[in-house]
Amino acid sequence: LAKTTQPISMDSYEGQEVNITCSHNNIATNDYITWYQQFPSQGPRFIIQGYKTKVTNEVASLFIPADRKSSTLSLPRVSLSDTAVYYCLVGGSSGNTGKLIFGQGTTLQVKP
Amino acid sequence: GAGVSQSPSNKVTEKGKDVELRCDPISGHTALYWYRQSLGQGLEFLIYFQGNSAPDKSGLPSDRFSAERTGGSVSTLTIQRTQQEDSAVYLCASSQRQGRGNEKLFFGSGTQLSVL
Repeated sequence: LAKTTQPISMDSYEGQEVNITCSHNNIATNDYITWYQQFPSQGPRFIIQGYKTKVTNEVASLFIPADRKSSTLSLPRVSLSDTAVYYCLVGGSSGNTGKLIFGQGTTLQVKP
Repeated sequence: GAGVSQSPSNKVTEKGKDVELRCDPISGHTALYWYRQSLGQGLEFLIYFQGNSAPDKSGLPSDRFSAERTGGSVSTLTIQRTQQEDSAVYLCASSQRQGRGNEKLFFGSGTQLSVL
């Protein structure tokens, strides 16, 4: 199973762009990279998913280099409401044994 | 339903009692996961069901924990002889797993278990 490593915490200010990088050195060929956001007292929710290069949606962008051993979640112009824990998740391609293991996540604190 | 539903949302029990936590996944989702989250911590994998295959129980912390999924839909997580260290939020997630590595998990709001 691919293990992920993320910074434990990050601080930012409103209006700034935030980039959170996740390392996943032993990612499997068919694994996708998925990011989730979790607010207090809620379950995580899907933000963005990618396999290679760049993916963008209305919430974030995901940058994946050619070797796929890392990925960067980019949140443009964060607001106070983006304060949350962000999890990088890799895997799911291993058929019936493809359980998904979450890392410790990155706690993002957005300040006014 | 529109999303993953978990019940109860809160459960307070006494040490040594058994508890049952329920998860109703999104209709049609073949995969179902249980995770545990202690205060301020990340998500700890417990068990994974996929279709009619034998579940992956490798994350269950002890034999006091068990789970079943009836008819490929509703799942129940049972904790016997609860201990104070079992206090945590228990999260359920489901996905429309297709084995292509691009599944997306949909989580319920969790059950907050407090063992006194």
